[in-house]
Amino acid sequence: DTGVSQNPRHKITKRGQNVTFRCDPISEHNRLYWYRQTLGQGPEFLTYFQNEAQLEKSRLLSDRFSAERPKGSFSTLEIQRTEQGDSAMYLCASSPGRGEEAFFGQGTRLTVV
Amino acid sequence: AQKVTQAQTEISVVEKEDVTLDCVYETRDTTYYLFWYKQPPSGELVFLIRRNSFDEQNEISGRYSWNFQKSTSSFNFTITASQVVDSAVYFCALSEPSSGFQKLVFGTGTRLLVSP
Repeated sequence: DTGVSQNPRHKITKRGQNVTFRCDPISEHNRLYWYRQTLGQGPEFLTYFQNEAQLEKSRLLSDRFSAERPKGSFSTLEIQRTEQGDSAMYLCASSPGRGEEAFFGQGTRLTVV
Repeated sequence: AQKVTQAQTEISVVEKEDVTLDCVYETRDTTYYLFWYKQPPSGELVFLIRRNSFDEQNEISGRYSWNFQKSTSSFNFTITASQVVDSAVYFCALSEPSSGFQKLVFGTGTRLLVSP
């Protein structure tokens, strides 16, 4: 499968715990994006990387959120001290260039109890 | 500010009916890209089309067609002879130069239910 891969697909965690999600983009794509989608809403931009550089972060990305893309390959999104409001689908996407279509993974559904 | 409005929250049709999903956008830029994505129950967003602001030609791909009208800031999507497999949530999205065309701003989506 050469699409965008996200792991895990589902995560249930207790409030206050830390969680980490992984995204493996399409191999030749140098741009990688994270979005968050809550029920009944469209995806909202969180951050993006060009290669290993994180070039933009949304104000939605509080200090408890951190994203990395070491060596410009896979990316991780960590949420520290999770809150119930963090419950959402976290989507990763990659694209080959600026303005090009983004290809999305199946997402990681986070439930904070 | 950039904004995408999909006023139709949910549409129900019977198989073989034609259906049009509306998308209205707001932007101050003359250069931008518009997109449509399909999100089936599995959750993955599937890319359908990208259109740049200088190309107002309508596009047809099989049963899908798109009508882009800059005069009304609309980019509507029509499915002809709908099928049960078309049931999904459809999102319209916009990217602008202010974000280096990197960031997609999505509408709230339209849920399409096609019954047999």
